[in-house]
Order: sequence, then structure tokens, then C-alpha cells
Amino acid sequence: GENVEQHPSTLSVQEGDSAVIKCTYSDSASNYFPWYKQELGKGPQLIIDIRSNVGEKKDQRIAVTLNKTAKHFSLHITETQPEDSAVYFCAAYNDYKLSFGAGTTVTVRA
Amino acid sequence: DVKVTQSSRYLVKRTGEKVFLECVQDMDHENMFWYRQDPGLGLRLIYFSYDVKMKEKGDIPEGYSVSREKKERFSLILESASTNQTSMYLCASSFGTLTPNEQFFGPGTRLTVL
Repeated sequence: GENVEQHPSTLSVQEGDSAVIKCTYSDSASNYFPWYKQELGKGPQLIIDIRSNVGEKKDQRIAVTLNKTAKHFSLHITETQPEDSAVYFCAAYNDYKLSFGAGTTVTVRA
Repeated sequence: DVKVTQSSRYLVKRTGEKVFLECVQDMDHENMFWYRQDPGLGLRLIYFSYDVKMKEKGDIPEGYSVSREKKERFSLILESASTNQTSMYLCASSFGTLTPNEQFFGPGTRLTVL
């Protein structure tokens, strides 16, 4: 099955700086790559996604890039704010299922 | 707004008990999912369903079963709870049979098996 690796596991950034989270996947048949944000006490919520026919997608301060050849994708958050502090999960869709990375705990320091 | 509700936020059960976790969604979604979340392991898929009375095994189905008698309701059953099933359980739903679309998650049930 699909194997998704996510790095780093924890990330501390100064407010206003950028944060980058990277994921790799193993199965070249994967064709959909969402990113979820999980705040304390809540279920994960989709923040952005990208499909395999697109190389980059941006939504305000959040962007995702996909390199199909290298089988990796990344989440970029610019101008980080305290409300960006959360756990972020990447995922890859294959064989009707999502496989998730282990998660990255992001802390934005004021 | 899509709403996915789970029957309990916290649950404490004893080893060997039969445990039912209930999930209800209000957006007429075809697909429903059960995951467990453990530190350092992310979310792992236990079972999913793409239609009423249909079910498919996920990556870690051992020790679990599911039931989907109505489109809006998906139940996870631990036939004989064990301590290694202590975890956070998350339910999710999405539209479009077996297509990759946004999954909407419930708040989770933290299950402790003593």
C-alpha cells in the first residue's frame, strides 16, 4: 500500500516567518494530495489540496507544490500567525483510500 | 455547513467488553470512514463504506467491524476491546462514491480500555 512520510515532526517559527512541511509518497499511482489542519480538541479540517495534474496551488498565505517525478509535495505557510499553531497532516489518495503522514506540530512564537 | 457528529467525546471500557462507536453525518455523503489516531502514527484507516450496507477494509481492520444500515450513520464495533485499542477514533464523510474529495471529520472519541 501507499506509504507517506512527513517531515519535520515539530516546527517552531517566529510570528511573521514562513513554515514549510514536506511529504514524500511511495506509489506513483496516487493522484490527490490534501493537507489537513487539526486544532486542539477538534477533528482535522482540510486547508488545501492538489491533484496530480497540477504542480502548484495557492490560497492566500498557504501554498502547496507537487513534484510527481520525485514523488514529494510540500506545504508552505507565509507570514505565520498565532492561529496557525496546530498539527498539520499531509495525505495521498490511492486505491480509494487516503494514507496520512505522521503529522507536524507547528508552534508560532509571538 | 457539513456536520459530522460522534456519539461520545470520551469513553472508558474494560478489556473484553463490546464497544460501539456511532457516527452521523447530515450532508447526504456517500462515503464514510473510521480512522484511529495515535501519536507519531498519524491517522490510520480502519474501515470505510461507499454506500449503505457496503464496507471495505482499510489498513488496520483487525479487531474491528462496522455497520452501515442507513446512509447517514456509520458504526464502528470493537467485538472484544483490548488495551491496545486505546486510542482516538475519528469518523469522516465525503461525497462522490469512491472519488477523492474533501473528507469532513467529526471531533473524535477518545477511547480508553482498562
